Amino acid sequence: EVQLVESGGGLVQPGGSLRLSCAASSFTFSNYEMNWVRQAPGKGLEWVSYISSSGTTIYYADSVKGRFTISRDNAKDSLYLQLNSLRAEDTAVYYCARETWSGFQHWGQGTLVTVSS
Amino acid sequence: EVVLTQSPGTLSLSPGERATLSCRASQSVSSRYLAWYQQKPGQAPRLLIYGASSRATGIPDRFSGSGSGTDFTLTISRLQPEDFEVYYCQHYGSAHTFGGGTKVEIK
Repeated sequence: EVQLVESGGGLVQPGGSLRLSCAASSFTFSNYEMNWVRQAPGKGLEWVSYISSSGTTIYYADSVKGRFTISRDNAKDSLYLQLNSLRAEDTAVYYCARETWSGFQHWGQGTLVTVSS
Repeated sequence: EVVLTQSPGTLSLSPGERATLSCRASQSVSSRYLAWYQQKPGQAPRLLIYGASSRATGIPDRFSGSGSGTDFTLTISRLQPEDFEVYYCQHYGSAHTFGGGTKVEIK
C-alpha cells in the first residue's frame, strides 16, 4: 500500500526556519510528481509547491515564493520542503501528496507547523 | 493564475436528498485536470472525482462529476450520513489550485 509519512513540523518563532520531510514507500518514488499542500486551522486547502519526478521542474504558490524550497532525493524516496522566513500565516498542517494524471490519489497524514513567539 | 470559486459555501440538506456543488473557474480549464475531494475533520482529503467526471477507486456511484470550460459540478445523488463533510474542487496538471470548499451539513 502506498504510504507517505510527513515529519519535521513543530513550533517556530516568526522569521525562523524549518525543514519538512515526506518519506514515501511501497511505490517507485522516482516515477511520480509530488506536491506540498497546506491547511491553516479551520481554513481550506492551499496548494504550496510542486516538483516533477526528476526534480527539474518546480512551481510555487505566490504566497511562499522566495521563502520556501521544495526538493527531493529519489535515492532516499524522500520529498522535502525547506521553510524560511516563516510568518504567523504559515501556521498550518502541511501535507505531501502524490500527483498523477488522475489527481492527488495519495496523501500523507500531515505535519503541523506553528509559527508563534 | 486560475482561481476556482465554489458555491455555495454551506449546503444544508437532509439525508436522502440530492446535493449539487458548483465550482467555477476564472478562465477556461481543461476538464482533464479537474478533481473533487472530500475531507473529514482531522483527516487528509480523499480523491472522489478526477478528469471532471471519472470516479476514483472505491468511490460509490452516488458521487458524480460533470462540466467543462469554466463550470463544473459535483453531485451526490442521495446523501448518506457519512457524506456530510467538506468538499473541494481542484485544478492540477499545469496549474495547481483549490477552490475554497463547500461544507455539506445536516439540515
